[in-house]
Amino acid sequence: EAQVTQNPRYLITVTGKKLTVTCSQNMNHEYMSWYRQDPGLGLRQIYYSMNVEVTDKGDVPEGYKVSRKEKRNFPLILESPSPNQTSLYFCASSLSLAAETQYFGPGTRLLVL
Amino acid sequence: GENVEQHPSTLSVQEGDSAVIKCTYSDSASNYFPWYKQELGKRPQLIIDIRSNVGEKKDQRIAVTLNKTAKHFSLHITETQPEDSAVYFCAARGRYSTLTFGKGTMLLVSP
Repeated sequence: EAQVTQNPRYLITVTGKKLTVTCSQNMNHEYMSWYRQDPGLGLRQIYYSMNVEVTDKGDVPEGYKVSRKEKRNFPLILESPSPNQTSLYFCASSLSLAAETQYFGPGTRLLVL
Repeated sequence: GENVEQHPSTLSVQEGDSAVIKCTYSDSASNYFPWYKQELGKRPQLIIDIRSNVGEKKDQRIAVTLNKTAKHFSLHITETQPEDSAVYFCAARGRYSTLTFGKGTMLLVSP
């Protein structure tokens, strides 16, 4: 089954404790992206990747890192999480940047205390 | 960069009524405008989209219209049903740029 998976789905952590949210797709998509969703602010892009070893900042990259060492995986790294990073995070992928359909993962709800 | 404004932020209708959600965009180079539906606790899913060379597109009870001159596009849902209750996001994208989303509209359809 074609899908985008994220792990963990729920995470409670404390300020400053490094964490990684994994994202994986099995559709051989070139383009992958991370968004955060906050009430009243919609979906805001954090980072995106157009292919292996090609990543770029989105609208709200501060406090986040990503890597794209393999085509299928695009982990989101929070080196020193802070409470303002409490949010719902979605990974998404599509065939290419110009492709029409973007497939979203199930979401990761993060609470930073 | 692109800026997408979406209105209203909440919309309540009676079952069977029509619902209209409007978005404006700032970048005249944007050429792709999708709409996503997000049910409670679920991921966003693409429901309809339109390209800049088309003025209107329909899919059963949903339709999207685009006015390039005014830089706005709208989602129309006819004969609304309770299962249409969700958050709807519009988005815009240029040829070589990423999607920019509106802030979302929470649609509530009352039986």
